[in-house]
Amino acid sequence: QEKVQQSPESLIVPEGAMVSLNCSFSDSASQSIWWYQQHPGKGPKALISIFSNGNKKEGRLTVYLNRASLHVSLHIKDSQPSDSAVYLCAVSDYGNEKITFGAGTKLTIKP
Amino acid sequence: EAAVTQSPRSKVAVTGGKVTLSCHQTNNHDYMYWYRQDTGHGLRLIHYSYVADSTEKGDIPDGYKASRPSQENFSLILELASLSQTAVYFCASSERDSQAPLFGEGTRLSVL
Repeated sequence: QEKVQQSPESLIVPEGAMVSLNCSFSDSASQSIWWYQQHPGKGPKALISIFSNGNKKEGRLTVYLNRASLHVSLHIKDSQPSDSAVYLCAVSDYGNEKITFGAGTKLTIKP
Repeated sequence: EAAVTQSPRSKVAVTGGKVTLSCHQTNNHDYMYWYRQDTGHGLRLIHYSYVADSTEKGDIPDGYKASRPSQENFSLILELASLSQTAVYFCASSERDSQAPLFGEGTRLSVL
């Protein structure tokens, strides 16, 4: 069974700071990795995905994947108060049959 | 616009009663999932389905049944609700390969 662990559990940073969130997973055969954002009382919303080793940038978001170390990270540049949310890391097996989530990181951006 | 709709949005049930949570997707997706979310545990997979009339057990299936009568509809059934099943339940759908699952807004279930 896939294990997904996220760190830190919570993070408070000032507006404009760079944010770094971490996720480790247990199965090197895992296929797709996504980062989700979840605001209170809402369903998770997919932000960015990565499938191959290396990095991927979309706007203020950059994700880095290292399959050898079973680690993926999400970096948010120029953080805004609206980025305050819980961030979830999700890892899928081949073909999207089973998708396992981490417990999440609660991010608070202080104006 | 792609959507996953859950009903009801909230429910109060009595211990030992039967509860049915419903999910409807308009995305023509093959896969559908039921997750529960508890503080400190993130999202945990209960049941999933990749085709109508077939369901698979996820990581925490005990105490839950699932039903997928059509591609669009996926239900989660608690035959004998217990206090420990108080949680927020999310339904999601996705394509077979590589697409990020799309989530509904959740159902908050309180078992008293």
